[in-house]
Amino acid sequence: KNEVEQSPQNLTAQEGEFITINCSYSVGISALHWLQQHPGGGIVSLFMLSSGKKKHGRLIATINIQEKHSSLHITASHPRDSAVYICAEGGADGLTFGKGTHLIIQP
Amino acid sequence: KAGVTQTPRYLIKTRGQQVTLSCSPISGHRSVSWYQQTPGQGLQFLFEYFSETQRNKGNFPGRFSGRQFSNSRSEMNVSTLELGDSALYLCASSPETGATPYEQYFGPGTRLTVT
Repeated sequence: KNEVEQSPQNLTAQEGEFITINCSYSVGISALHWLQQHPGGGIVSLFMLSSGKKKHGRLIATINIQEKHSSLHITASHPRDSAVYICAEGGADGLTFGKGTHLIIQP
Repeated sequence: KAGVTQTPRYLIKTRGQQVTLSCSPISGHRSVSWYQQTPGQGLQFLFEYFSETQRNKGNFPGRFSGRQFSNSRSEMNVSTLELGDSALYLCASSPETGATPYEQYFGPGTRLTVT
């Protein structure tokens, strides 16, 4: 069974800092998802990627299939980026989730 | 397009009761997945339905069941509720474009409290 591990679990940074959240998985996957969850529970899908790199605004996601590792980067972080970021691998048996990274951006 | 909707948003039930949660996917989406989120276990996959058929099932007891209707709306049912079933239940829908894998669009969730 695939295991998904994220680091760090908690991250507090100052506004404007460059943020990196890491995700590792144990077996081959069909896709890696990055999700954002704000207080109150709503989840938004940020990226789904199988290879390479994707960029959306200030968010960048990369994946290295050989190393079974993905990173989510936030450039010029802002307090509204404060949320829980969750990576999940999409295999044949549904999504397997990491425990999440609780990010706080202080003004 | 309207997003994924879930009803009810909040629910309080007593141990031993049963509960039915509803999910309406984005128009045109035929795949609906259900997830449970608890502070201890995080997010866990419950099951996925596509065209009224259960396509995948997570590692949950038989008390958890679901179904999907011809209009793609889905329901999940939990029978004989236990305190540990208190959780946020999320559903997500996916477009079936013929290319896998699929991006998932999440609903706001139903927060179930079992007392």
